[in-house]
Amino acid sequence: GAVVSQHPSWVICKSGTSVKIECRSLDFQATTMFWYRQFPKQSLMLMATSNEGSKATYEQGVEKDKFLINHASLTLSTLTVTSAHPEDSSFYICSAYTDSSNTEAFFGQGTRLTVV
Amino acid sequence: AQSVSQHNHHVILSEAASLELGCNYSYGGTVNLFWYVQYPGQHLQLLLKYFSGDPLVKGIKGFEAEFIKSKFSFNLRKPSVQWSDTAEYFCALRLTGTASKLTFGTGTRLQVTL
Repeated sequence: GAVVSQHPSWVICKSGTSVKIECRSLDFQATTMFWYRQFPKQSLMLMATSNEGSKATYEQGVEKDKFLINHASLTLSTLTVTSAHPEDSSFYICSAYTDSSNTEAFFGQGTRLTVV
Repeated sequence: AQSVSQHNHHVILSEAASLELGCNYSYGGTVNLFWYVQYPGQHLQLLLKYFSGDPLVKGIKGFEAEFIKSKFSFNLRKPSVQWSDTAEYFCALRLTGTASKLTFGTGTRLQVTL
């Protein structure tokens, strides 16, 4: 199957700093990528839809100025957590469909963010 | 808004036991349904999916699921589990004819003992 790679797999940062997470489609082009957030023992919650060459579409309740998404190419989307706080500590996962028929989403391995 | 419920949060089974994980959804229209599995330290992987047609769908690794529209359910089954099936299982839905975002259940952690 197709491969979606996230980097880093885990990161620890200090409060007030910014952290960038990369999501790459390694063997296909993805015009749309999705960013999810998962709290312990909870569901994956969609944060935003990242569209190549245009602004991301954020879900209700997600602060777009805090979670900056950039989809500069067909193989790369980035999520930047700005001015991170301990409550931003979570597991972040990206996904992408390989084609326009959107039959199957492929997921990155996730990034564990810990803000201290 | 649509939602997905997985009632079993943690299931422990012995090898060779049969498995059934519950998944119910809330939405009045047509949906696509999925089961994903996440093995420790690995990516989410698609086990199986239902779009239309035969409500009994077969997936990888011997898993199957049955869509029962009247019950808004899409339960996952496997006749005989193996230790290697130990993982987190997520049920998800997607609204047909809309953006491709998935709505996930809370997940079920399956632990298979030897």
